[in-house]
Amino acid sequence: QKEVEQDPGPLSVPEGAIVSLNCTYSNSAFQYFMWYRQYSRKGPELLMYTYSSGNKEDGRFTAQVDKSSKYISLFIRDSQPSDSATYLCASFTNAGKSTFGDGTTLTVKP
Amino acid sequence: EAGVVQSPRYKIIEKKQPVAFWCNPISGHNTLYWYRQNLGQGPELLIRYENEEAVDDSQLPKDRFSAERLKGVDSTLKIQPAELGDSAVYLCASSLRVGTANTGELFFGEGSRLTVL
Repeated sequence: QKEVEQDPGPLSVPEGAIVSLNCTYSNSAFQYFMWYRQYSRKGPELLMYTYSSGNKEDGRFTAQVDKSSKYISLFIRDSQPSDSATYLCASFTNAGKSTFGDGTTLTVKP
Repeated sequence: EAGVVQSPRYKIIEKKQPVAFWCNPISGHNTLYWYRQNLGQGPELLIRYENEEAVDDSQLPKDRFSAERLKGVDSTLKIQPAELGDSAVYLCASSLRVGTANTGELFFGEGSRLTVL
């Protein structure tokens, strides 16, 4: 079992919908939690970054981390067709050990 | 500012042939990562460098894979001989380690897509 498990997709929503993407992790040493967005045939790009528990908001995107339940979430409000991509959650320890989820592919239909 | 540059973008080889991938990280980034990404999966770490030192190569298949990071800047990942199961995208990423913290703010290149026939 992977240390970071991501809800499998694919996920298809209409434009303007609220999207919820979720991951769980098992390693208590993880301190940094990230969401990366990956377009087809491109490298992942950092979307959101959170240290320890809490919420972080950036425009239409909100990242939540609940360390008590080892749960990571990304919410996208007013989703746009340009948000169509694969979303990867990732967790890092202080020592730099990294683990990525397998990604959820999102399609936002106009 | 230029991002992480990788080459080649695409490579097709026959099994048992050697192949090498090159990565130029973002200027000033002291940490460099090589990941392998199979279709439909997330990136999996092969090796991590802090400057020129390989600090985590536990997942690198050392019988056929090798890597180097000369002078703590560019890096090369080599596979010799390649096997069918090595077909994947090889991603290079870099980050700036501040003090003792690796924060996970990685900047990725566009990847090198390897097909082994």
